[in-house]
Amino acid sequence: DAGVTQSPTHLIKTRGQHVTLRCSPISGHKSVSWYQQVLGQGPQFIFQYYEKEERGRGNFPDRFSARQFPNYSSELNVNALLLGDSALYLCASSLGSGRLAFNEQFFGPGTRLTVL
Amino acid sequence: TQLLEQSPQFLSIQEGENLTVYCNSSSVFSSLQWYRQEPGEGPVLLVTVVTGGEVKKLKRLTFQFGDARKDSSLHITAAQPGDTGLYLCAGDDNYGQNFVFGPGTRLSVLP
Repeated sequence: DAGVTQSPTHLIKTRGQHVTLRCSPISGHKSVSWYQQVLGQGPQFIFQYYEKEERGRGNFPDRFSARQFPNYSSELNVNALLLGDSALYLCASSLGSGRLAFNEQFFGPGTRLTVL
Repeated sequence: TQLLEQSPQFLSIQEGENLTVYCNSSSVFSSLQWYRQEPGEGPVLLVTVVTGGEVKKLKRLTFQFGDARKDSSLHITAAQPGDTGLYLCAGDDNYGQNFVFGPGTRLSVLP
């Protein structure tokens, strides 16, 4: 069975640009969570979506947004990119939502975003 | 805001040695998880500890949850080069709306 897939693998953008990252969850999983992992740090929670609705949000500015599609795949959008947005963006999928989602989540390999 | 601290930040040991890494918080967590992350990959869940005082074993790895559910430890016996990686502890905010990772312990096991 395919695990969580993310695209693109790597991406280079310049300051002020916009970026869209994509995630396909494990088949049958309805919840997708997004994390930002800056080099040398642990991942930071950005969003959780379940059944196309936002169920959790971390401490990130409004430049960050996401959505989930009927097939449970998800997009993370970041506007007005800053140098500090350079990071590995991880997507995780799970069956349930909320605490159930966090208890057993499976991570994709991530998208490495570099902002110049 | 719940925060998790981990120590040590870096650890380099020889194959066959034992080691312990720690995860601490001033907040109570209903459960804590341990993940291992290798370069270029996402974190992989190793274990979830739920009950205060709980001890779980996974082959050469032993996980313990503190009695007060504010801390946890991971002990590796007879470390092998394949244990090399970033070890992360993590937990949710008890409401299921936020999930917190510690900064990680980067372990290097030399052959």
